[in-house]
Amino acid sequence: QKEVEQDPGPLSVPEGAIVSLNCTYSNSAFQYFMWYRQYSRKGPELLMYTYSSGNKEDGRFTAQVDKSSKYISLFIRDSQPSDSATYLCAMSGLQGAQKLVFGQGTRLTINP
Amino acid sequence: NAGVTQTPKFQVLKTGQSMTLQCAQDMNHEYMSWYRQDPGMGLRLIHYSVGAGITDQGEVPNGYNVSRSTTEDFPLRLLSAAPSQTSVYFCASSYSGGPYGELFFGEGSRLTVL
Repeated sequence: QKEVEQDPGPLSVPEGAIVSLNCTYSNSAFQYFMWYRQYSRKGPELLMYTYSSGNKEDGRFTAQVDKSSKYISLFIRDSQPSDSATYLCAMSGLQGAQKLVFGQGTRLTINP
Repeated sequence: NAGVTQTPKFQVLKTGQSMTLQCAQDMNHEYMSWYRQDPGMGLRLIHYSVGAGITDQGEVPNGYNVSRSTTEDFPLRLLSAAPSQTSVYFCASSYSGGPYGELFFGEGSRLTVL
């Protein structure tokens, strides 16, 4: 069983929809939670990060962490065609970026 | 701003051949790492380095070798290529490698082993 599970999709929604992307994990030592966005034929880039449980909002993006359920989510409001990409969740314990564990990634398409 | 530069972008090898994937960063980052990305598997850590002269193994190190002689460069060597090493390889760097040490990725090197 993988430490981090993410539905690979693909997920296709109309422009303007609210998108929900999710990951579950099994390692209770994870404390730092990140979402990376990867456009086609490009490297991943950091979109958001959170520490421990709670919500964090940045513009149209909201990241949620529920450590009791070992579940994290990324919400995209008013989705745009430019949001079409693969979204990867990533998480780590105290070692942070040295030992990031990634989910499989969810391929998202926003249709105009 | 160059960031993280990987070469080559594409490579085809025959089984048993060796090659080196090059990675260079111009951000003076101490931490550098190599990942491979395969369909349905996400990104998996191969090797990483927390500074010049220091390297360590990640999740899938077998068949790969690394060294770190300078802060800027972190090459990945395939000793005897196998079809199972067909993948997209990403080099990444971070200022600290610690909590919230944001990883900056290169654009990837696509390797096919026949």
